[in-house]
Amino acid sequence: DADVTQTPRNRITKTGKRIMLECSQTKGHDRMYWYRQDPGLGLRLIYYSFDVKDINKGEISDGYSVSRQAQAKFSLSLESAIPNQTALYFCATSREGYTDTQYFGPGTRLTVL
Amino acid sequence: DQQVKQNSPSLSVQEGRISILNCDYTNSMFDYFLWYKKYPAEGPTFLISISSIKDKNEDGRFTVFLNKSAKHLSLHIVPSQPGDSAVYFCAATNTGGFKTIFGAGTRLFVKA
Repeated sequence: DADVTQTPRNRITKTGKRIMLECSQTKGHDRMYWYRQDPGLGLRLIYYSFDVKDINKGEISDGYSVSRQAQAKFSLSLESAIPNQTALYFCATSREGYTDTQYFGPGTRLTVL
Repeated sequence: DQQVKQNSPSLSVQEGRISILNCDYTNSMFDYFLWYKKYPAEGPTFLISISSIKDKNEDGRFTVFLNKSAKHLSLHIVPSQPGDSAVYFCAATNTGGFKTIFGAGTRLFVKA
């Protein structure tokens, strides 16, 4: 079984709809992250969480919110989806320590019409 | 303002030859650098890293070189294999910082 899972893997939605992307990990890591990938822009950090009670905005948090339901679960919500949120979204985890590598989920491809 | 830049969107190399992927950064506070590899329909996976106290780190066919004065690092793959065809992301972070900054990626094609 995969260490980091994301659901759904693909989603098509309409402008203005609320949507939630879910992430679960079995690595026992405290740190979790949400990124989006856009062509030519690489991976950009949306939100990150160092533990259940510690949630922080990344570089592109506007229009997004997150919930850390447990050490193993970190959800990303788009309150009112817009077309420029069409992207590939990745969840990742890492252990404590800035040099620890991140383990990524397989990604969710989101299309907002 | 992109702090980590990979200026080559794609690179094509013959099997058995060397692949060289380049990365430049602007923030002199970065002191730890990583390369991730990504196949289609999968998430990125860690490949190799280097601390700023070193100028070279090697792991099998993969070697990363760091030139701090030029704020430049490169990933060498020797010999290149068709299975190395993927997107490679350069990433940078710093002590006490909590964010890893990724480059835009370079798509490597290794031709058999």
